[in-house]
Amino acid sequence: SQQGEEDPQALSIQEGENATMNCSYKTSINNLQWYRQNSGRGLVHLILIRSNEREKHSGRLRVTLDTSKKSSSLLITASRAADTASYFCATVWMDSSYKLIFGSGTRLLVRP
Amino acid sequence: GAVVSQHPSWVICKSGTSVKIECRSLDFQATTMFWYRQFPKQSLMLMATSNEGSKATYEQGVEKDKFLINHASLTLSTLTVTSAHPEDSSFYICSARDREDANYGYTFGSGTRLTVV
Repeated sequence: SQQGEEDPQALSIQEGENATMNCSYKTSINNLQWYRQNSGRGLVHLILIRSNEREKHSGRLRVTLDTSKKSSSLLITASRAADTASYFCATVWMDSSYKLIFGSGTRLLVRP
Repeated sequence: GAVVSQHPSWVICKSGTSVKIECRSLDFQATTMFWYRQFPKQSLMLMATSNEGSKATYEQGVEKDKFLINHASLTLSTLTVTSAHPEDSSFYICSARDREDANYGYTFGSGTRLTVV
């Protein structure tokens, strides 16, 4: 990818279990965002964490950010079949372009 | 909430022809629009960044003569794939950044699936 890697590339879990996805990036960032994409569709913004924040929560989502390691994680608790999708982290570059660069993504399958 | 309309949602064209994809911000003014392409089971690759009234900035390796981007107004950007070939078949997605959103809001279109035969 242009920015970094996510792992795992694919994750299959049972409904009710937690899903954790990790993201690493390469450059200095302004903020990091997580997006969800259902197959063949556009992207939905999930959560944003700024470079001076370490953890953020939104409903069943918990995001952490470690700028010293250039990494972030997304935790989805009590997963549902409807959470099946691809998840991408994306970083906003610290220049005037505000361009949003995506990680390689994790394909999550939640089995009912 | 912010909405970005992207058309067409899918298009099939013959090799050698050109295809135009439109991206409109419906209820906000987009300072900047971004164009991405995505191959199956892969991530989104940024192709170019366009600012209203100025030339687009292309990412390394993206042919600007092949992928023409026009951003004539604060609500409309177009991507034209010129002389399309089968290898240009992909999913193209636009994104718009709201100039009034200090929280770095990016809204994505629903994408265009291009198939070149």
